Amino acid sequence: ELKVEQNPLFLSMQEGKNYTIYCNYSTTSDRLYWYRQDPGKSLESLFVLLSNGAVKQEGRLMASLDTKARLSTLHITAAVHDLSATYFCAGNTGTASKLTFGTGTRLQVTL
Amino acid sequence: GAVVSQHPSRVICKSGTSVKIECRSLDFQATTMFWYRQFPKQSLMLMATSNEGSKATYEQGVEKDKFLINHASLTLSTLTVTSAHPEDSSFYICSAERGGGGYTGELFFGEGSRLTVL
Repeated sequence: ELKVEQNPLFLSMQEGKNYTIYCNYSTTSDRLYWYRQDPGKSLESLFVLLSNGAVKQEGRLMASLDTKARLSTLHITAAVHDLSATYFCAGNTGTASKLTFGTGTRLQVTL
Repeated sequence: GAVVSQHPSRVICKSGTSVKIECRSLDFQATTMFWYRQFPKQSLMLMATSNEGSKATYEQGVEKDKFLINHASLTLSTLTVTSAHPEDSSFYICSAERGGGGYTGELFFGEGSRLTVL
């Protein structure tokens, strides 16, 4: 059974600072997803990582995947207030694309 | 891009009544859809896999008689919460997997449906 853990659970950071969210998973996952969720809203897809060493970047966010370590990271560069949200990573197993979500990291960027 | 629509976005009902939530894929066919539940400040938990033309597959601990899932067409899955109770109050989110050729490995999520049971 796939288990996905994130840390930290809560992150308060100042604008302009850099930080990394970590996502560890317990067994092999075909792919690793990152999502953003704003309060009261559904999920917004950020990244899909398909293979070992994959790195994807969009704006101030960069995600990477190390399948050997079973670790994905979401790096935030020069945070801005608009990035405040909850971020989830998720993995899947087998051929079915049903996801197991991490605990989520609530990011608060302060001015 | 692909869009998955859920309806209603919010519903308030009395305890003991049943509520139906619809999940539609608007511009692609979805042979498989997934239903998740999210309690406040918690993560998403998979409830069941909805399969077009066959019975849904429920995750362990999810009562199939309470959460009825129907996937009668390639664009529509419904979740019916039967005899709802306050503990069923939650945010329900569906996702749809693109069926057929050209599968990209990306899932599309609905906007979510917030159920409040009084």
